[in-house]
Amino acid sequence: DGGITQSPKYLFRKEGQNVTLSCEQNLNHDAMYWYRQDPGQGLRLIYYSQIVNDFQKGDIAEGYSVSREKKESFPLTVTSAQKNPTAFYLCASSQEGRGEQYFGPGTRLTVT
Amino acid sequence: ELKVEQNPLFLSMQEGKNYTIYCNYSTTSDRLYWYRQDPGKSLESLFVLLSNGAVKQEGRLMASLDTKARLSTLHITAAVHDLSATYFCAVGYNNDMRFGAGTRLTVKP
Repeated sequence: DGGITQSPKYLFRKEGQNVTLSCEQNLNHDAMYWYRQDPGQGLRLIYYSQIVNDFQKGDIAEGYSVSREKKESFPLTVTSAQKNPTAFYLCASSQEGRGEQYFGPGTRLTVT
Repeated sequence: ELKVEQNPLFLSMQEGKNYTIYCNYSTTSDRLYWYRQDPGKSLESLFVLLSNGAVKQEGRLMASLDTKARLSTLHITAAVHDLSATYFCAVGYNNDMRFGAGTRLTVKP
């Protein structure tokens, strides 16, 4: 089955620790995205990548980093520089930049 | 910069009633998407509208696109409780896509 997976579903970390969220897709999509969603709010774009080995900052990239070494993988690292990292993180992919985005199930990160 | 505005942001409806959610956007585009999000869950694709005048229907939901007015609507017919969710529109432009803020719909008996 084609799809997009994120792991883990829930993640708990102490303040000051970096944490990496996994996102994998087997849809053969070129573009991949990371969004942050706070309770009761909309989506905010963190980073996106249109092709392998290339990525761009979104609206709220500070305190986050990404890599795109393989077409199917786009991991997100939440660094200790991110002041308020507790949120729901969604990964998405699309065939092209303005095409329909397919979303993974999300990772809920709690930092205490 | 492309801006996408949804209204209303909150909508409380009674079962059986009809209502429309509006999605306005600031730049010419012929790609408009509607998504649904249940509480605590991810986004699920509802409709893909790719041309002026496009209309798609699924059950009690119908979406339309007017590219000249830069407007899409999501019409709910005879609402039922199962439709309670947050609905997002998203607009594709150049190599980018922008989401609206979402409309939180609550359908009450």
